[in-house]
Amino acid sequence: KQEVTQIPAALSVPEGENLVLNCSFTDSAIYNLQWFRQDPGKGLTSLLLIQSSQREQTSGRLNASLDKSSGRSTLYIAASQPGDSATYLCAVRGVSNYQLIWGAGTKLIIKP
Amino acid sequence: GAVVSQHPSRVICKSGTSVKIECRSLDFQATTMFWYRQFPKKSLMLMATSNEGSKATYEQGVEKDKFLINHASLTLSTLTVTSAHPEDSSFYICSADFSGTSGIHDFETQYFGPGTRLLVL
Repeated sequence: KQEVTQIPAALSVPEGENLVLNCSFTDSAIYNLQWFRQDPGKGLTSLLLIQSSQREQTSGRLNASLDKSSGRSTLYIAASQPGDSATYLCAVRGVSNYQLIWGAGTKLIIKP
Repeated sequence: GAVVSQHPSRVICKSGTSVKIECRSLDFQATTMFWYRQFPKKSLMLMATSNEGSKATYEQGVEKDKFLINHASLTLSTLTVTSAHPEDSSFYICSADFSGTSGIHDFETQYFGPGTRLLVL
């Protein structure tokens, strides 16, 4: 049974710093992995999607990497801004169905 | 991009009443929709998979008589929490699989609604 873990559960850093969020999964047989952003009381925004055959994806100041063999993904945020404050969730999609298995998220606070 | 709406965004009800939450895909057809529940500081929990024109598939531990799902059209799925109790208070999120004009499921993409905050007193 696939399990997804995100570390740390919460992170607070000063504005301008580069930071890394971690996601690990127990079953390497994945179809893809996605990183989402969730603002308080709101729905989800997809940030990056990495196919199982890919190593990384980039969008603006965000870079997501995937090491399927070790069951790890990282989300790198460069030059953090207060507007980046949110909860970041990773989710993996298995190869046998199209359901997403979710991590509990990392709550990120960027201090001005 | 594809848009999914949910209504209401927030609802407060008395214990014992039923609450209906709507999930609509506004600009695309969704043969499959998903209902999630999120507890504070916890990950999303898939409750059920809703397929248009057929019965929903519930995840283990989710009471199908408690959480009624109807997917009557390609753009609308509803979740009804029957005889709600305080422990049903939660954030409910729906998502829709974008099947595209070709009818082929794009398994890569789920579009999420903004969520519904349910508080049962």
